[in-house]
Amino acid sequence: DAKTTQPTSMDCAEGRAANLPCNHSTISGNEYVYWYRQIHSQGPQYIIHGLKNNETNEMASLIITEDRKSSTLILPHATLRDTAVYYCIVRTGRRALTFGSGTRLQVQP
Amino acid sequence: DTAVSQTPKYLVTQMGNDKSIKCEQNLGHDTMYWYKQDSKKFLKIMFSYNNKELIINETVPNRFSPKSPDKAHLNLHINSLELGDSAVYFCASSPHGTGDNEKLFFGSGTQLSVL
Repeated sequence: DAKTTQPTSMDCAEGRAANLPCNHSTISGNEYVYWYRQIHSQGPQYIIHGLKNNETNEMASLIITEDRKSSTLILPHATLRDTAVYYCIVRTGRRALTFGSGTRLQVQP
Repeated sequence: DTAVSQTPKYLVTQMGNDKSIKCEQNLGHDTMYWYKQDSKKFLKIMFSYNNKELIINETVPNRFSPKSPDKAHLNLHINSLELGDSAVYFCASSPHGTGDNEKLFFGSGTQLSVL
């Protein structure tokens, strides 16, 4: 699976959009981009995933660049409950999900 | 109803003991997993079972033995516990295991402390 690079930590003001970047420059054509998050002391939680097109669901939006070498997870109106570690993962269906070190997002009141 | 439930939530034991962690999912999924999260917070896949058959075994010591009595349950038995086994263990499930649109659902974790 392609390696991903994420900032170690980010801050965001409550109510503002949180934009979390991820680089995956070695991604191959059949690898999907997944985002999960882990709130303190809980199990990881699926957020969103995509292949080429931008995706939106009730939790977030995923913007994938045209060359697919990077993506951005957008939480449109961050709340204190969104404080968590966010993991960007690329994988094909044949491999298990492999987590990196993620981005620690701190939402400030 | 909790989709993926694991017990116990906390487990404190002495070195050398044998212990088990249980996991159950009520989502009707075919595939279940065990992940280990160490003190540095890295989450690593340990095992994966699909319909009671082992499909992933990631160089885990053979003191760790997963058992899947049916596709809704995946238990983790650990023999001769060592200090380095202290970690949080997460169980997870997914509908099929090998699809490109697989979403994993995780349990809330079991914090194992070996003294």
